[in-house]
Amino acid sequence: NAGVTQTPKFQVLKTGQSMTLQCAQDMNHEYMSWYRQDPGMGLRLIHYSVGAGITDQGEVPNGYNVSRSTTEDFPLRLLSAAPSQTSVYFCASSSYRNTEAFFGQGTRLTVV
Amino acid sequence: AQKVTQAQTEISVVEKEDVTLDCVYETRDTTYYLFWYKQPPSGELVFLIRRNSFDEQNEISGRYSWNFQKSTSSFNFTITASQVVDSAVYFCALSEAEAQGGSEKLVFGKGTKLTVNP
Repeated sequence: NAGVTQTPKFQVLKTGQSMTLQCAQDMNHEYMSWYRQDPGMGLRLIHYSVGAGITDQGEVPNGYNVSRSTTEDFPLRLLSAAPSQTSVYFCASSSYRNTEAFFGQGTRLTVV
Repeated sequence: AQKVTQAQTEISVVEKEDVTLDCVYETRDTTYYLFWYKQPPSGELVFLIRRNSFDEQNEISGRYSWNFQKSTSSFNFTITASQVVDSAVYFCALSEAEAQGGSEKLVFGKGTKLTVNP
């Protein structure tokens, strides 16, 4: 099992550019989430999904879009990147059957 | 609103010392879950434990132990006989009751950076 796979691992964007962070899981988990980690701030929830076709906002959703067309994939879209979106992004998946959230390796994004 | 407070920003100990990482949480829910995750310098998040609000038994796993006290809203983590490999950032997290039993909406503390010196 690959678990939770995030791509890319590193990305540099210019202000105003758009991009999609990819997240895929092969554990047939119902739930998927996106977090961002900033120095001294811990991880904060951006968006989450409880199943295909269902998404909802977390604590810091502004500037990000998500969709969940399949159980396996949960891409995070930055529509117009801003320097404030420089962060490390983590995707996670979980299931009501499990006791933990499985995290991807993270994507380090720098917006210049 | 849910909140997790890890008051210790950084802790430095010498190898073989015992160390306790504090976690205090706030929630109005009667059903919730508490977690600890470890983030080593390599950056990945490693799950350590999940505890539900109805289970106040302390847990021990090797050198790790957890003390859950609902009366003080605390879920503290102790490492006994610390080792250099324990050096990492440790996060405490809380899951809402409405999270349908999953872990899709975690509220994290800001983390405690533990440095274990040889």
